[in-house]
Amino acid sequence: QKEVEQDPGPLSVPEGAIVSLNCTYSNSAFQYFMWYRQYSRKGPELLMYTYSSGNKEDGRFTAQVDKSSKYISLFIRDSQPSDSATYLCAMRDSWGKLQFGAGTQVVVTP
Amino acid sequence: DTGVSQDPRHKITKRGQNVTFRCDPISEHNRLYWYRQTLGQGPEFLTYFQNEAQLEKSRLLSDRFSAERPKGSFSTLEIQRTEQGDSAMYLCASSFQDEQFFGPGTRLTVL
Repeated sequence: QKEVEQDPGPLSVPEGAIVSLNCTYSNSAFQYFMWYRQYSRKGPELLMYTYSSGNKEDGRFTAQVDKSSKYISLFIRDSQPSDSATYLCAMRDSWGKLQFGAGTQVVVTP
Repeated sequence: DTGVSQDPRHKITKRGQNVTFRCDPISEHNRLYWYRQTLGQGPEFLTYFQNEAQLEKSRLLSDRFSAERPKGSFSTLEIQRTEQGDSAMYLCASSFQDEQFFGPGTRLTVL
């Protein structure tokens, strides 16, 4: 069983809809939680970074962490075609290395 | 541009050849990481430097792989006797504290 599970999608939504993404994890040692966006053939771009359980909002993006359930989510409001990309969740252990999910491909249709 | 840079962006090589990739981290970032990403998967950790010291290596990093960061600035990743299974995107990331910032990657194709 992988330490981080993420539905690979693809997830197709119409423009303006809310995109909901999530990951589950099994390792209680994970302390930091991140969401990256990756366009085709590019490096991952850091979107959100959280430490504690709860919500963190940045513009159209909201990240949620529930450490008791080992579950994290990312919501994208008012989705745009430019949001079409692969979204990767990542968890950081005490040593600093990241453990990634497989990524969810998101397609926002005009 | 003050982000992480990687060179080359693309490399095509024949099986059995050696290849070397370079990563220049964000200035003053003391931590540097190498990851490998195959199609449809998330990046997988390979190795990590704090300044010039290599502190951790994944079991994915076979003895054909070697990484260096001689002066605590740029880093190189060398793959000897490449195999077709080495074909992947090799990503470098750097950090000062907790957030890791990635470069554009080097895409390796082994024929």
